[in-house]
Amino acid sequence: EAGVVQSPRYKIIEKKQPVAFWCNPISGHNTLYWYRQNLGQGPELLIRYENEEAVDDSQLPKDRFSAERLKGVDSTLKIQPAELGDSAVYLCASSADNEQFFGPGTRLTVL
Amino acid sequence: GQNIDQPTEMTATEGAIVQINCTYQTSGFNGLFWYQQHAGEAPTFLSYNVLDGLEEKGRFSSFLSRSKGYSYLLLKELQMKDSASYLCAAPHRGSTLGRLYFGRGTQLTVWP
Repeated sequence: EAGVVQSPRYKIIEKKQPVAFWCNPISGHNTLYWYRQNLGQGPELLIRYENEEAVDDSQLPKDRFSAERLKGVDSTLKIQPAELGDSAVYLCASSADNEQFFGPGTRLTVL
Repeated sequence: GQNIDQPTEMTATEGAIVQINCTYQTSGFNGLFWYQQHAGEAPTFLSYNVLDGLEEKGRFSSFLSRSKGYSYLLLKELQMKDSASYLCAAPHRGSTLGRLYFGRGTQLTVWP
């Protein structure tokens, strides 16, 4: 069974530029999560989807971050414009029950 | 929210046993997770405890005491490949499908 797929794996951009990350969850997993992980820290949730509905986006910085999951499968997370402090690993996860399965993440470096 | 605390770093030698502790304060407790994360890779699920006591899975065991707000991960017969960060995590308001609150992770280094 294929795991959670994310792309790109690495992204380097200059500040004020836009950037987008893509996630394809495990087939059949209705719940999808975007986490951000800073160096030496645990992941922190940005947004959670149940099918196509964002049910928890309280930690998403909505002035510059946006996300969508139009057909309840793939999801895209966007940052516009990026700031230096956005440098982190962006993890996507999906679940059908208790266990959350994580993708490999996108490592973003903002210069 | 949740307050999850675990040591930042631990070291041990091959073949040894190591115990990684985690203390938590949660609202609406519904279990505690342990994840393993190798450098540059995704966290992978190790265990989920919802009842008090010890659960064993091969070389890895996880313990939970709900009354004390305490859990530990026990790794036996350590191997070099066990060098990784070990993350303790609790669900938000008791919903295992909701957000997970992660500790900052314990970086374990196994020496030959």
